[in-house]
Amino acid sequence: AQSVTQLDSHVSVSEGTPVLLRCNYSSSYSPSLFWYVQHPNKGLQLLLKYTSAATLVKGINGFEAEFKKSETSFHLTKPSAHMSDAAEYFCVVSDLFGKYIFGTGTRLKVLA
Amino acid sequence: SQTIHQWPATLVQPVGSPLSLECTVEGTSNPNLYWYRQAAGRGLQLLFYSVGIGQISSEVPQNLSASRPQDRQFILSSKKLLLSDSGFYLCAWKGPPVRNEQFFGPGTRLTVL
Repeated sequence: AQSVTQLDSHVSVSEGTPVLLRCNYSSSYSPSLFWYVQHPNKGLQLLLKYTSAATLVKGINGFEAEFKKSETSFHLTKPSAHMSDAAEYFCVVSDLFGKYIFGTGTRLKVLA
Repeated sequence: SQTIHQWPATLVQPVGSPLSLECTVEGTSNPNLYWYRQAAGRGLQLLFYSVGIGQISSEVPQNLSASRPQDRQFILSSKKLLLSDSGFYLCAWKGPPVRNEQFFGPGTRLTVL
């Protein structure tokens, strides 16, 4: 069975400082992994995806994530946080049939 | 390009009333379609998915139902709403198997009083 664990329910950073949102996964085969962002009362927007190509994946809005098989991790990073990055972030693993298993989410707060 | 619509955007309904939420997708054909619910303080729960017209799979037992009367239309219904049905309902679509990401609609905020 597959699962995904987001290690922090809340993260606070100052504007202009780096962002790290942690995600660990469990999968019995090579997984497809995704990060989504959700602003309040909005739908989910795809930030980036990993599908067994390059292990360092670049996404929109300056975000990137690195797939580390040895650590079963897919952490999301951004070098410099912007106020508009404040939102909830979801790490997702897809099963063989394309169904999503969601993490519980990390709420990112950006301090001025 | 593909777009996904949901309506209404917000809905306040009394307990015991019926429900109908609609989702439509444009710019693609034969998508997989999904209904999720996001309850306050909780993650996203897959409710139903559909791989084609009239084909519905239910993920969790509940008083909700789904239908797919047309290729790009997905409807979530209930005959009698419960307080616990309150939440944020998201529809999503997925294209061909070679592209396995899902794209989400703007959501419907349902409050049952």
